[in-house]
Amino acid sequence: DARVTQTPRHKVTEMGQEVTMRCQPILGHNTVFWYRQTMMQGLELLAYFRNRAPLDDSGMPKDRFSAEMPDATLATLKIQPSEPRDSAVYFCASGPTGVVEKLFFGSGTQLSVL
Amino acid sequence: AQTVTQSQPEMSVQEAETVTLSCTYDTSESDYYLFWYKQPPSRQMILVIRQEAYKQQNATENRFSVNFQKAAKSFSLKISDSQLGDAAMYFCAYRGKGAQKLVFGQGTRLTINP
Repeated sequence: DARVTQTPRHKVTEMGQEVTMRCQPILGHNTVFWYRQTMMQGLELLAYFRNRAPLDDSGMPKDRFSAEMPDATLATLKIQPSEPRDSAVYFCASGPTGVVEKLFFGSGTQLSVL
Repeated sequence: AQTVTQSQPEMSVQEAETVTLSCTYDTSESDYYLFWYKQPPSRQMILVIRQEAYKQQNATENRFSVNFQKAAKSFSLKISDSQLGDAAMYFCAYRGKGAQKLVFGQGTRLTINP
């Protein structure tokens, strides 16, 4: 079965370090989302892309977060420098444009910043 | 901005019984989509059921059904004949017709008692 692949599954790092999370969307999907899940805030949209172009990154702290799609098979989310409040599960999801029910989520990256 | 509210942080039900999870939302749009997602301990977000706002008929998927009350902006999920594998976090989500992103509720943790 096709699926969204996220790496790493877990990441523990120290405050101030750079963190890079990667996502391989399902082949042929041209819309990619990054969500963050915390106990307090639930699932929040950080950014999303269509055809590799960022359409909305208003949910992302611009000073430390950046999201890119170097090519159609890779989306990255970077945090530099990381802070303890960034500890969360980060999900990537992909889907074909306009097909509402065909949004697939990865298993997430659980990030712990000490 | 659209908001989704799940007022039950936790619910529990006996195996084989029926349980209903509540969800309300706020929007000024007339056409949109509503979803229930299941998140088991594996963290994978799994689409359970979807409803299109312009359809009067409530969606059903095997043991899962919804009670969609458009005027009341209510979208509850009913799980019949609960099974141990139904234990998970359940998220209600909204998507505007012209939008790509999902807006999630805070989630309800469902426990199935054997």
